[in-house]
Amino acid sequence: EADIYQTPRYLVIGTGKKITLECSQTMGHDKMYWYQQDPGMELHLIHYSYGVNSTEKGDLSSESTVSRIRTEHFPLTLESARPSHTSQYLCASGEGRTYEQYFGPGTRLTVT
Amino acid sequence: KNQVEQSPQSLIILEGKNCTLQCNYTVSPFSNLRWYKQDTGRGPVSLTIMTFSENTKSNGRYTATLDADTKQSSLHITASQLSDSASYICVVSDRGSTLGRLYFGRGTQLTVWP
Repeated sequence: EADIYQTPRYLVIGTGKKITLECSQTMGHDKMYWYQQDPGMELHLIHYSYGVNSTEKGDLSSESTVSRIRTEHFPLTLESARPSHTSQYLCASGEGRTYEQYFGPGTRLTVT
Repeated sequence: KNQVEQSPQSLIILEGKNCTLQCNYTVSPFSNLRWYKQDTGRGPVSLTIMTFSENTKSNGRYTATLDADTKQSSLHITASQLSDSASYICVVSDRGSTLGRLYFGRGTQLTVWP
């Protein structure tokens, strides 16, 4: 099983609050990713990083921001949560020519 | 447009039975195809990964096949167990980007009944 961790696993928060979803991996992978997944739907890439100080937006527009100050850490921040942000957020890391990605357990976010 | 389509959307089978899940894709240029298993409330876990030159790959009771000419893949599960109940996601990677962009299907929700 991959060593990639996400906290919190579940979060219920009120509209307008600032939140940070944590993601860390101990595999030394350069590439890290954030995906958003609604029930019964496919994963959508919202952010990715090639390495330290590198961040890019993914395919799905998101109001969240990310940072990559350390290789192992890739937090996602929402400055002002809204009900439309309710979703599951999955973090992944990977490297190598096969582009294998290892997923964390996810954070289920509910904004009331 | 790069797409991955899976069928059926959901499937219910009895414990011990076999089943086959389908995946069609239009991703080009193709790099590899993988099948993930995602338990409810968890992140996806890789089952198999196949490159262009591979036709079949097994992982225990899971056997994946790939036809790169018709751009189709299948995942066959033999002697199903209750723990096989999960969403099975087909994911295709393109060869054109250094990012290793992944294209995800919506998954087949498999339920195994005792």
